[in-house]
Amino acid sequence: EIVMTQSPATLSVSPGERATLSCRSSQSISTNLAWYQQKPGQSPRLLIYDASTRASGFPARFSGSGSGTEFTLTISSLQSEDFAVYYCQQHNTWPRTFGQGTKVEIK
Amino acid sequence: QVQLQESGPGLVKPSETLSLTCTASGGSISGFFWSWIRQAPGKGLEWVGYTHSNGRTKYNPSLGSRVTISLDTSKNQVSLKLTSVTAADTAVYYCARLGLPSGIYYHPDYWGQGTLVTVSS
Repeated sequence: EIVMTQSPATLSVSPGERATLSCRSSQSISTNLAWYQQKPGQSPRLLIYDASTRASGFPARFSGSGSGTEFTLTISSLQSEDFAVYYCQQHNTWPRTFGQGTKVEIK
Repeated sequence: QVQLQESGPGLVKPSETLSLTCTASGGSISGFFWSWIRQAPGKGLEWVGYTHSNGRTKYNPSLGSRVTISLDTSKNQVSLKLTSVTAADTAVYYCARLGLPSGIYYHPDYWGQGTLVTVSS
């Protein structure tokens, strides 16, 4: 099973600032990487797939990049509604596996 | 707009079988992949498995032969059965439709709100 490792565990950011989240896979997954956003008490929501394709409903301030084993999710200017937990997940190999999550909190 | 509603017992005894149902409204379950994903309290996410009306099914190997996911098209429902449960199976269980295609992969586009199942005597 592919292990996904996210860093940092918690990211404290002021509204309007840029947030950069990292995700690493234990083996190459090409660009078969998704990001999910989960707010407290809510179901996860697909944010990015294929490493860089934004899902419907998410604004352009969210962007994903990377390939192979190193991936990044960037939120260019954090808004209040962006404070949440973000999970990366590989869909290259079954079972799909998630990272442990990065909590983006208000600084 | 598709809506998904999970239902089932919130408490299951160790060694017994966890049975959940996901009822879909606003669209047919036929022709789509359907999945179950779980999240232990305060923990991350884990794929349980998925199935399609064409019979294609995959389960997480970590669950061995304990898991079965099935579709009842007459009731527009997706079911999950997990046998011989232990405390480690305590989690919020989400039903999700894998309706967003991307190459050979399908991604979740609709989720249920999740249902907490606690395994305890």
